Amino acid sequence: AQSVTQPDIHITVSEGASLELRCNYSYGATPYLFWYVQSPGQGLQLLLKYFSGDTLVQGIKGFEAEFKRSQSSFNLRKPSVHWSDAAEYFCAVGAQGGGADGLTFGKGTHLIIQP
Amino acid sequence: GAGVSQSPSNKVTEKGKDVELRCDPISGHTALYWYRQSLGQGLEFLIYFQGNSAPDKSGLPSDRFSAERTGGSVSTLTIQRTQQEDSAVYLCASSFGWVNYGYTFGSGTRLTVV
Repeated sequence: AQSVTQPDIHITVSEGASLELRCNYSYGATPYLFWYVQSPGQGLQLLLKYFSGDTLVQGIKGFEAEFKRSQSSFNLRKPSVHWSDAAEYFCAVGAQGGGADGLTFGKGTHLIIQP
Repeated sequence: GAGVSQSPSNKVTEKGKDVELRCDPISGHTALYWYRQSLGQGLEFLIYFQGNSAPDKSGLPSDRFSAERTGGSVSTLTIQRTQQEDSAVYLCASSFGWVNYGYTFGSGTRLTVV
């Protein structure tokens, strides 16, 4: 069965500093990988996704993520965070074969931005 | 519509009552998903529809939960005889086609059972 681990429940970063959120997955084959962001009281918004090809993917809002098969990781990065980036971030893995099993989400990382 | 619409946005119900949650997906999206988000528990996959059919209902937490989708569009998630542990945010998402291209989520229904 597929699983996703986000080791950091909370992360605090100063505004303007760089950010890396960790995500490790367990999946038998090449996975589909996603990062979503959730602001308070809102649904989840897709930041970026990886299916195949270039292992460094660019997303919206200046985020990027790198797929490292050898480490089973898909960490999210941003060079310089803004106060508006404060939110909950979810990593997810999905099966290539179809949507019947849905996506498996990590438990999320709560990002706090210090002024 | 332009996005995934869920109603109501908030629902407070008494224990033992039935509730119905509605999801209106993006027009043309054939796949629809329901998730439950509980505090500190992340997102729990409940059920998936391709068109009007749900191939696998084993993700529903108990037999008090049921879901249907009509006309390949609107879906309702029904919880019968609600319990306090059903309190959560119920999220709906839709996508185009089979493959996990990434969902578009609605804003959710926050259910509180008192």
